[in-house]
Amino acid sequence: KQEVTQIPAALSVPEGENLVLNCSFTDSAIYNLQWFRQDPGKGLTSLLLIQSSQREQTSGRLNASLDKSSGRSTLYIAASQPGDSATYLCALRSGGYNKLIFGAGTRLAVHP
Amino acid sequence: EAEVAQSPRYKITEKSQAVAFWCDPISGHATLYWYRQILGQGPELLVQFQDESVVDDSQLPKDRFSAERLKGVDSTLKIQPAELGDSAMYLCASSFHENYGYTFGSGTRLTVV
Repeated sequence: KQEVTQIPAALSVPEGENLVLNCSFTDSAIYNLQWFRQDPGKGLTSLLLIQSSQREQTSGRLNASLDKSSGRSTLYIAASQPGDSATYLCALRSGGYNKLIFGAGTRLAVHP
Repeated sequence: EAEVAQSPRYKITEKSQAVAFWCDPISGHATLYWYRQILGQGPELLVQFQDESVVDDSQLPKDRFSAERLKGVDSTLKIQPAELGDSAMYLCASSFHENYGYTFGSGTRLTVV
């Protein structure tokens, strides 16, 4: 059974810091991995999608990497801003499942 | 930019009443998903449609939940009777193909009192 774990569960940082959010999974046979952002009480906004054949994807200040062999993905946020405050969720579609399996998320607070 | 539409945004209902949620996926997306997210947790799949057919409803509490996608476009999720434990965010998502990402709607926040 595929399990997805996100560490840390919560993170509070001052504005301007570079930070890394971690996502680990137990089954390396994945199709793709997607990072989402969720603001309080809102739906999910897709940030980055990494296919199983890719090592990383970048969008603006965000960079996501994928290492299937170690069962890990990281989301790097450069020069964090208060507007980055949200919950970040990783989710993956793995070989035996045609659905996204989510981690519980990392709740990020960036203070001025 | 194309969006997944959901309504209502919020719903408060009394225990034992019926409640329904609606979702309109992005045009051309054959796959539609209903997820439930309990506060503080990641979303969990309730039901997956491919066109009008259910392909995965293994986590759907079928004694009280039902879902349909009659013409393979929009979808309705129903709960009858609602229980206190059903209070959660109900999210709809659609996808063009398994190699593409999911697009989520804004969700329906259900509170059962």
